[in-house]
Amino acid sequence: DTAVSQTPKYLVTQMGNDKSIKCEQNLGHDTMYWYKQDSKKFLKIMFSYNNKELIINETVPNRFSPKSPDKAHLNLHINSLELGDSAVYFCASSHSTSYGYTFGSGTRLTVV
Amino acid sequence: QQQVKQSPQSLIVQKGGISIINCAYENTAFDYFPWYQQFPGKGPALLIAIRPDVSEKKEGRFTISFNKSAKQFSLHIMDSQPGDSATYFCAAASKAAGNKLTFGGGTRVLVKP
Repeated sequence: DTAVSQTPKYLVTQMGNDKSIKCEQNLGHDTMYWYKQDSKKFLKIMFSYNNKELIINETVPNRFSPKSPDKAHLNLHINSLELGDSAVYFCASSHSTSYGYTFGSGTRLTVV
Repeated sequence: QQQVKQSPQSLIVQKGGISIINCAYENTAFDYFPWYQQFPGKGPALLIAIRPDVSEKKEGRFTISFNKSAKQFSLHIMDSQPGDSATYFCAAASKAAGNKLTFGGGTRVLVKP
């Protein structure tokens, strides 16, 4: 009965590889987000989708490509992984009419 | 540039003491100011939030004080408990920015028994 679930929880991969992180929410929210938390704990938004439509696209390398097959799912695909991509990636969701976010537990990505 | 500045970066408080964390913002379009609590290995969880038309909001041991003219707001944790040891983030959002939450840098709070 997890509200916002991400998989995998941990991801260790080599530089240059391509990887995906999946996110699903069962809260009935219509907006989903990806946030990146760096090693200093700073949280920064990457993308947001509302009903499968891209709403926010911050200054993120185009190696990062989000995909939303439906409003309950938002996946993040990363091409040609670099050492600097190592971070914890959080998925979150909310109603478009509300500021109340619910975050997932995060995916710790380590690029070696 | 950081639109929401948070201080201190860390603080240690004795059990039963008061923890105070401060945030300052620049964008006057912000109209929602939440505080999130994050435990190790977990995602941030909403703790308490305030709108700019209110100067104070209290929920249990947690109080937000808001000063619109100074563009500052703070979190007070009364009677701090060891279970409150976590990282706390202030944030700000506006409809104009698509409900995007802009976070402060976080404060690691350690409550000593």
